Amino acid sequence: RKEVEQDPGPFNVPEGATVAFNCTYSNSASQSFFWYRQDCRKEPKLLMSVYSSGNEDGRFTAQLNRASQYISLLIRDSKLSDSATYLCVVDGNTGKLIFGQGTTLQVKP
Amino acid sequence: ETGVTQTPRHLVMGMTNKKSLKCEQHLGHNAMYWYKQSAKKPLELMFVYNFKEQTENNSVPSRFSPECPNSSHLFLHLHTLQPEDSALYLCASSQDLRMDEQFFGPGTRLTVL
Repeated sequence: RKEVEQDPGPFNVPEGATVAFNCTYSNSASQSFFWYRQDCRKEPKLLMSVYSSGNEDGRFTAQLNRASQYISLLIRDSKLSDSATYLCVVDGNTGKLIFGQGTTLQVKP
Repeated sequence: ETGVTQTPRHLVMGMTNKKSLKCEQHLGHNAMYWYKQSAKKPLELMFVYNFKEQTENNSVPSRFSPECPNSSHLFLHLHTLQPEDSALYLCASSQDLRMDEQFFGPGTRLTVL
């Protein structure tokens, strides 16, 4: 089983749609969770950290489900500029950050 | 000056060449990282440095040789690479080795002929 697993997509959605991504992780002892965004041919940048209580930043909501070992990212009212690859990141067995393969989102006009 | 800079941005080299990638961070961070990103694959951690001491070598072939002269600079020396080493090489830094946010440089896109 991969340490961090994501559906690579692509997810093709119209502007204004709500879209959700899930990510599963294998290490039940993981404590740190993040969503990064990576635009085409650019470096990853932190989108948001994921806290146990869940957190929201504008149109973006992140949730953590420790029992089922997954994190989610919800994007409401999608914009064209949201088109990117979203990377799920979790601290792994040896304390390193483990990056998922990423989920590609394409928002269409 | 932007947070993490990398040079060169693009590099084409033959299998017998020797070249070096440079990374510099202006954030006052203590930990620095090299990652490899190949098409359709997750980021692969290569090396970790903390206070300029190497703390992790993730089973990277010896044709990749890192160097960290101080906490702000990180190099990746390349020699006798293979075509399958073609990838985006990303440098990152974080405040320390706790699971803090990592800040990435723009990467060096390497092509090995």
